[in-house]
Amino acid sequence: DAKTTQPPSMDCAEGRAANLPCNHSTISGNEYVYWYRQIHSQGPQYIIHGLKNNETNEMASLIITEDRKSSTLILPHATLRDTAVYYCIVTSGTYKYIFGTGTRLKVLA
Amino acid sequence: GAVVSQHPSRVICKSGTSVKIECRSLDFQATTMFWYRQFPKQSLMLMATSNEGSKATYEQGVEKDKFLINHASLTLSTLTVTSAHPEDSSFYICSAFAELRTDTQYFGPGTRLTVL
Repeated sequence: DAKTTQPPSMDCAEGRAANLPCNHSTISGNEYVYWYRQIHSQGPQYIIHGLKNNETNEMASLIITEDRKSSTLILPHATLRDTAVYYCIVTSGTYKYIFGTGTRLKVLA
Repeated sequence: GAVVSQHPSRVICKSGTSVKIECRSLDFQATTMFWYRQFPKQSLMLMATSNEGSKATYEQGVEKDKFLINHASLTLSTLTVTSAHPEDSSFYICSAFAELRTDTQYFGPGTRLTVL
């Protein structure tokens, strides 16, 4: 079973920040949090990952709470092309991914 | 960088035939590749972990004699669906683990298999 829980769907206005939450209350000390997204009928696309510090790259920011039991992916200025299913995955050294149901983000014009 | 390709992108076959799907890491070496299956409106399900030069490790409930995996080189893994049946129709996705780059899995574009 997946070790993460995410809301099934969210809407976001174009140009606004999209904040996607993820709960991973059973995360272990050596497990990373990864975020991917899947646009319809394509393979998942890597977005960002982190262990305990907040991370930022050209696509998004990842905020991990101090107790590491939850995280938030932030897309700072959502566009229509960001409409996708977003998956939060917790994994350790084997890097075996168990996908949960993800969050279906719909960016509205 | 970190591009993974799959071939073919779509395949239609008759029931009882075998189908081979290739997964290639184009610009990095991958000692570990993964195969997933995705049914419509569902999430990805891990089928097996493919390690270069050794036997694949299958997830519980996945028939190893039906889904043959070969990882003969550091850039190529193949999945063969043997004696395919209509219930094997699905979206098959591979990923390659870029261990020496970012400790991240990069996914291929997927292969849509339709068994008639």
